[in-house]
Amino acid sequence: GAGVSQSPSNKVTEKGKDVELRCDPISGHTALYWYRQSLGQGLEFLIYFQGNSAPDKSGLPSDRFSAERTGGSVSTLTIQRTQQEDSAVYLCASSFQTGEDTQYFGPGTRLTVL
Amino acid sequence: QQQVKQSPQSLIVQKGGISIINCAYENTAFDYFPWYQQFPGKGPALLIAIRPDVSEKKEGRFTISFNKSAKQFSLHIMDSQPGDSATYFCAAVSSRLTFGEGTQLTVNP
Repeated sequence: GAGVSQSPSNKVTEKGKDVELRCDPISGHTALYWYRQSLGQGLEFLIYFQGNSAPDKSGLPSDRFSAERTGGSVSTLTIQRTQQEDSAVYLCASSFQTGEDTQYFGPGTRLTVL
Repeated sequence: QQQVKQSPQSLIVQKGGISIINCAYENTAFDYFPWYQQFPGKGPALLIAIRPDVSEKKEGRFTISFNKSAKQFSLHIMDSQPGDSATYFCAAVSSRLTFGEGTQLTVNP
């Protein structure tokens, strides 16, 4: 069985451009999470989707960040007008449901904003 | 607001030694405490987890000690091996995971 996959693995963009990061969760997992990990830092929660409920967007750092999850499966994290401080590894995780269920992480997308 | 504090930030241990990483929390709503292990270029992976109704959980060389009254928990890695070199994150769960800042462990051969 495939794990969580993310694409692209690396993304280099210029300041001011928009980027889209994709996450394919494990089939059957209803919960999906996005985190940001800056160099040498911990994991910063961004957003969480659970089934058909409204997403928990409380971790999004600014209105330049948005995410959607289509059909309860694939998710896209969009960063508009990228800034250099957006450079980080963006990690996606999924779990069977939520809360205590083990989160399975993808390998991440390394975003570099020049 | 950092709800889970982790220390040390980095740790160097000799092969065969004991690695100890500590975490503390404030939110009493947390009711599940996992530890994640992350190797370079990979996403974190669940290592071991504990609920607050037990004081210790052991899986192989990895042990979690939990002190509910002090709101502290720790990871002990016995007989540390170079292959254990990774970043370790403690976490706490109420409705979702809150991670500590991470500890970069290096085990020297």
